[in-house]
Amino acid sequence: AQSVTQLDSQVPVFEEAPVELRCNYSSSVSVYLFWYVQYPNQGLQLLLKYLSGSTLVKGINGFEAEFNKSQTSFHLRKPSVHISDTAEYFCAVSDPHAGGTSYGKLTFGQGTILTVHP
Amino acid sequence: NAGVTQTPKFQVLKTGQSMTLQCAQDMNHEYMSWYRQDPGMGLRLIHYSVGAGITDQGEVPNGYNVSRSTTEDFPLRLLSAAPSQTSVYFCASSYFGQQETQYFGPGTRLLVL
Repeated sequence: AQSVTQLDSQVPVFEEAPVELRCNYSSSVSVYLFWYVQYPNQGLQLLLKYLSGSTLVKGINGFEAEFNKSQTSFHLRKPSVHISDTAEYFCAVSDPHAGGTSYGKLTFGQGTILTVHP
Repeated sequence: NAGVTQTPKFQVLKTGQSMTLQCAQDMNHEYMSWYRQDPGMGLRLIHYSVGAGITDQGEVPNGYNVSRSTTEDFPLRLLSAAPSQTSVYFCASSYFGQQETQYFGPGTRLLVL
């Protein structure tokens, strides 16, 4: 079974500082990887996804993530954060070949709350 | 397009009451799913559907029923609400075979007393 671990439950950072949100996954098969963002009292919005190809993936709002197969990691980075980046971030994984009760299933990590201070 | 819509936004129930959480999408997506979000646990899949008339269980289906009579709608029913079902519920949809691009609704916040 797949699992996702987000290594930090909360990350405080000052505005314009760089940030990295860490995500590790466990899976013995090929995977799709995702980062979603949830702003307060809103639904989830896809930031970026890795399906195949280049291991460096660029997403919206200046975020990027790097897929590292040997370390089974998919860390999210932004070189300079803004107050508006304050939100909860979720890493997720899916198995593109899954069937049955796992079909289309996204397995989420526990979430990381990013708080950007002025 | 309105995307994925969910109603109600908030609901308070007493233990044992029943209710239906509504989910609709106007993107002609075949695949729809329900997740619940609990603090420190991320989102967990409750039920999903790959098309009208076809539904299946996710990882936490107990206490919930679903049906899919149309492509657009995928309601989630709580037959006898329990405090353990206090959560935020999200509906998501995508094209069949493109589950890597799922669109989420704004969520329904449910409190069961």
